[in-house]
Amino acid sequence: GENVEQHPSTLSVQEGDSAVIKCTYSDSASNYFPWYKQELGKRPQLIIDIRSNVGEKKDQRIAVTLNKTAKHFSLHITETQPEDSAVYFCAARGTGTASKLTFGTGTRLQVTL
Amino acid sequence: EPEVTQTPSHQVTQMGQEVILRCVPISNHLYFYWYRQILGQKVEFLVSFYNNEISEKSEIFDDQFSVERPDGSNFTLKIRSTKLEDSAMYFCASSQGQSYNEQFFGPGTRLTVL
Repeated sequence: GENVEQHPSTLSVQEGDSAVIKCTYSDSASNYFPWYKQELGKRPQLIIDIRSNVGEKKDQRIAVTLNKTAKHFSLHITETQPEDSAVYFCAARGTGTASKLTFGTGTRLQVTL
Repeated sequence: EPEVTQTPSHQVTQMGQEVILRCVPISNHLYFYWYRQILGQKVEFLVSFYNNEISEKSEIFDDQFSVERPDGSNFTLKIRSTKLEDSAMYFCASSQGQSYNEQFFGPGTRLTVL
């Protein structure tokens, strides 16, 4: 089955700096890669996603890149703010009916003043 | 904006007891999921459900687990005889369609097995 690795497990940046989180996946059939932000005690919330036929997608301060050949994808957050502090999870989803999400292990991002 | 809802928010039970976790998916969604998250760990897939039957289940979803959509709105997860290691946050999710469609997560039920 699919296996998703995520690095780093913790990341501390100063406000205004950029943050990059990287994930790799194992199943070349996976075709959809969402990123979720989870604040303490809350539900995971989608912040950006990318399909396998796209190499990059941007939404304001957040961008995601996908390298299908290398089977890795990355989240980039620019001009970080304290409210960006949370745990971020990458995930991969394959084809098939009601395809599940396979999540990475999470990155705890701390944005310091 | 429609949201997935879950009840209860917190359930405390004794080992060996049965629990039922309830979810109301977004009304026009067709695909339903249960995930769990042990404290401090990643979100893990349990089961997916479509067209009134299980589509896929993980190795975690053994004979002690079952799911049901008893009416047009609720989606339930039953754990027949809880174990200490079942203690986790259980998230329900729903999706309008497969593949590229976002899965929307509910707020979760924190299950504590004593």
